[in-house]
Amino acid sequence: QTVVTQEPSLTVSPGGTVTLTCASSTGAVTSGYYPNWLQQKLGQAPRALIYSTTNKHSWTPARFSGSLLGGKAALTLSGVQPEDEAEYYCLLYYSGVWVFGGGTKLTVL
Amino acid sequence: QVQLVQSGAEVKKTGASVKVSCKASGYTFTSYSMHWVRQAPGQGLEWMGIINPSGGRTTYAQKFQGRVTMTSDTSTSTVYMELSSLRSEDTAVYYCARQHSDFWGQGTLVTVSS
Repeated sequence: QTVVTQEPSLTVSPGGTVTLTCASSTGAVTSGYYPNWLQQKLGQAPRALIYSTTNKHSWTPARFSGSLLGGKAALTLSGVQPEDEAEYYCLLYYSGVWVFGGGTKLTVL
Repeated sequence: QVQLVQSGAEVKKTGASVKVSCKASGYTFTSYSMHWVRQAPGQGLEWMGIINPSGGRTTYAQKFQGRVTMTSDTSTSTVYMELSSLRSEDTAVYYCARQHSDFWGQGTLVTVSS
């Protein structure tokens, strides 16, 4: 049973920078797991932000960026806005199967 | 524009089945597989399985094997997810999501009670 681990919660000040990470129980996360990042606000469906490690969708604000960092997938928010307060999920592909991380609740305070 | 529109909320009794639909528009339906994901109240996202509308091939999460059936109708660009032998723990919002997680349906709340 593959487990994907994220920080349960993080707090950041408006205008600040924060990095969320995503680790795999199988070892280092590589681009071969096609890391995706999703944002979910209360009562809404998830919204895709990042796909295949670093790629942004046309609607993804420029302040969001994806990378690999120390064997994990990472999502960095630079110049955080109040509206970035949300739950963030990473998603890894394992041979056609999706596995989600448990989510990171990001508080902007 | 790409849209995934799901069927409305359902209330079911324990032991019953539920069938949720997801109608796609704005792209070539058979060119993308569709995933189903659920989210129990206050919990995270849980992958249920995937269907390729071109041919109907499916892969289900081990947890749901034997209880879930995913089908597609290319004439209406609709995919379906049927979950049987419902129990209270199946109370959740069920989402369809296009192959690369780029587009998601609005979600369908399924409530299971005795």
